[in-house]
Order: sequence, then structure tokens, then C-alpha cells
Amino acid sequence: ENVLTQSPATLSLSPGERATLSCRASQSVSHFLAWYQHKPGQAPRLLIYGASNRAPGIPARFSGSGSGTDFTLTISSLEPEDFGVYYCQKRSNWPALTFGGGTKVEIK
Amino acid sequence: EVQLVESGGGLVQPGRSLRLSCTASGFTFDDYAMSWVRQAPGKGLEWVGLIRRKDFGGPTEYGASVKGRFIISRDDSKSIAYLQMNSLKTEDTGVYYCTREVDIDYGMDVWGQGTTVTVSS
Repeated sequence: ENVLTQSPATLSLSPGERATLSCRASQSVSHFLAWYQHKPGQAPRLLIYGASNRAPGIPARFSGSGSGTDFTLTISSLEPEDFGVYYCQKRSNWPALTFGGGTKVEIK
Repeated sequence: EVQLVESGGGLVQPGRSLRLSCTASGFTFDDYAMSWVRQAPGKGLEWVGLIRRKDFGGPTEYGASVKGRFIISRDDSKSIAYLQMNSLKTEDTGVYYCTREVDIDYGMDVWGQGTTVTVSS
């Protein structure tokens, strides 16, 4: 079973700071990884696909990197609206899909 | 406007069944696979299952926790995807989202607002 592990579980930062979120797969997923943002009471939103491609309408402060087993989502300068929970998703066994456990980005 | 609207949630007793619907608008429904994702209270997102496009055979895939109990189907003439949930357990409680899927190299690019399912006696 290919498990996705996200770290840290919680990230406490101030607006303007840089956020670095990690997602690690127990086996290689090549570049077939997506990132989503989820805020309370809202539907999740696709941020990054193919490990490093921003989805349409996603601000340039969001960037994804990595391949194989180690991936990173970076928010270069946090805006107030960026606080929420971020999930990575393994897509290498499509149509079978898996989410990581999530990283909560909260206001310090 | 591209939109997905879920319906059919509610309170149901353990062991009973419930069917959720996902009505699509603003895009050619036939061109896309559709997934269901859920979130239990206080937990993260969990992929439930997916149905492919009809011209890809329309086969379905399911997550381990629902395989054998849940069935996904689609009616392309009505632009609706369904999630038939049987033998419901208390741990099936949560918000259920339907999502639009393109292929392996993309992601769930459109999400509904979700419908709440509560399994309790």
C-alpha cells in the first residue's frame, strides 16, 4: 500500500511568512501528485497538479516541486486567505486515488 | 458556470441505504470521469470512488473502506452521478463531495459544496 505522509501536521505562521509543506510517498508516484486547499465550510480547491503545475486561477505565490517520493508545496508569502488545511493526493494509480492526512496552516 | 450540486444527504440508521446525487451543469458531462470524496467529522479528506467516462467503459474504482458496499453510477442523459450507499455504518458519517476528474495527470478541478450524511440510531 502506497501511503502519503504529510508534515508537519500543523504550521503556525504569520501573514507574509513563507510556508513549506511536505508530502512523502512510501513508493514512487513519479510526478502524479496534486495539492488541494480546504477551508472550513467551503469545498476543497485544486492548487497544483502534476507536482508542479498551478491550476487555472491559482496565484503565483503557490508553487509545487518534487518527484518520486518527496514533494513540497510552498507558499512564498502567506496572505490571510491562505490559512486552512492542505492535502496532497497521489494519482499514480489512477483511477484509484489517495489523499495524505493534511497539514493545517494556522495564524500564529 | 461550471457547477456540481450534491443532494440526498440526511440522517439514516446503521445498516440502511441512502443514495446521493450529483447534478452537473456548465460543461459536457460525458467528457469527464466523476469522483466522490468524503470528510468525517474532525478528519481529513478520504477518496470514496470514481466512475470513468462511458467511452472508457465506465468502470468504477472504490476505496477499501467502502468497496462492496457503495456503488457509483452515472446518467449522462441527465448529467447526474450517483453514489448508492448500502449497509451504512456510523463511520460513514460525514460530508460527501462529488468532484470532476480529467485523468491521471491532472486533478479534481471542480467540487460541489457537499451534502451531509449522518449514520446514527
